[in-house]
Amino acid sequence: GQQVMQIPQYQHVQEGEDFTTYCNSSTTLSNIQWYKQRPGGHPVFLIQLVKSGEVKKQKRLTFQFGEAKKNSSLHITATQTTDVGTYFCAVNYGGSQGNLIFGKGTKLSVKP
Amino acid sequence: SQTIHQWPATLVQPVGSPLSLECTVEGTSNPNLYWYRQAAGRGLQLLFYSVGIGQISSEVPQNLSASRPQDRQFILSSKKLLLSDSGFYLCAWRTGEIAGEYEQYFGPGTRLTVT
Repeated sequence: GQQVMQIPQYQHVQEGEDFTTYCNSSTTLSNIQWYKQRPGGHPVFLIQLVKSGEVKKQKRLTFQFGEAKKNSSLHITATQTTDVGTYFCAVNYGGSQGNLIFGKGTKLSVKP
Repeated sequence: SQTIHQWPATLVQPVGSPLSLECTVEGTSNPNLYWYRQAAGRGLQLLFYSVGIGQISSEVPQNLSASRPQDRQFILSSKKLLLSDSGFYLCAWRTGEIAGEYEQYFGPGTRLTVT
């Protein structure tokens, strides 16, 4: 079945450093979504990428979808302690049902 | 605006006891609804999804079941809990698709510990 590999599993950074998490698929994706889960909380939708080579920005967060639509990245510039949490990518495999397969997530910790 | 409720927030149950977790959505009609489980420090596993009343699809065979008795109500059940059923159970709903894009919203979750 379809799988999505997400790396790294953990990332520890000093506040102010940049952070990047990557998702890779062996098959071409129709779209990819990114979620953030704060410690003790539930996943919160961040963004969806649909087009080949698409780049979207949300303040310090930059999301990219690869030209071949097989990989994606989330980059955070100048991390802050509020960025702490686990970042998941998710891909649609269920057609009209919109069922998602989630990556295992990257857990980000930020040292002040 | 749409909101999604789950209860209880936390639950401690002995092995072999029954389970009933409830999820309700407000502010939308005929949503696609989902049950996920997240083991400690792990990713999200889709358990069940429903596209309408009485319509349930199971993604992973196990001792859990789901029901959708009303349009905006989704229930996760078990007749006899196993230790391996411990985890964080999340209900979610999905917006309609516009230009190939949609969003999925999660409820606050139920933390289940089976002892």
